[in-house]
Amino acid sequence: DQQVKQNSPSLSVQEGRISILNCDYTNSMFDYFLWYKKYPAEGPTFLISISSIKDKNEDGRFTVFLNKSAKHLSLHIVPSQPGDSAVYFCAASDSWGKLQFGAGTQVVVTP
Amino acid sequence: TAGITQAPTSQILAAGRSMTLRCTQDMRHNAMYWYRQDLGLGLRLIHYSNTAGTTGKGEVPDGYSVSRANTDDFPLTLASAVPSQTSVYFCASIASGFNEQFFGPGTRLTVL
Repeated sequence: DQQVKQNSPSLSVQEGRISILNCDYTNSMFDYFLWYKKYPAEGPTFLISISSIKDKNEDGRFTVFLNKSAKHLSLHIVPSQPGDSAVYFCAASDSWGKLQFGAGTQVVVTP
Repeated sequence: TAGITQAPTSQILAAGRSMTLRCTQDMRHNAMYWYRQDLGLGLRLIHYSNTAGTTGKGEVPDGYSVSRANTDDFPLTLASAVPSQTSVYFCASIASGFNEQFFGPGTRLTVL
């Protein structure tokens, strides 16, 4: 049973607007959360992360929000750019450092 | 710095044949991982190694084996391939004390 879920397989957003990607998890032992970005025929690349002791982390156009009580995190991309078109994976880490990934959300940024 | 390299880039393999996917990192990371990526399932952990000389099973280890003779190399072996092992395989590594894993470019394997 998947412990990390991304329920939206795809998202289309207009250039310049906000992209919001959602992720839910079931295991309360997860203590670190990460977002990875993946282009076709490439490996995933780390984008942004957040510790379970925080509720927000910002890095340029990317902000991750964590709601521990709801076991929910989201990634905001503002403003969205054409180069942001990729698959985004949510991942959660336990204290042993192993990652559990969601199924991914394909983002398409249109002109 | 190359980071993580994987070989081959892609391979078509007959069912029942064996194959070893290679992974090499030059970052001196202690921990290394093998994942498979399948549509709708994300990345699933096959095997991992926290340090040279040790290995462990991940979420989907059946049909795969690994070894970790040194820090840099972490090969993944399919002893007798089956069509359900058709997937894209990613190797990853992580530095001690950090949470962000670095990924290789992947190997696309098709088992017919």
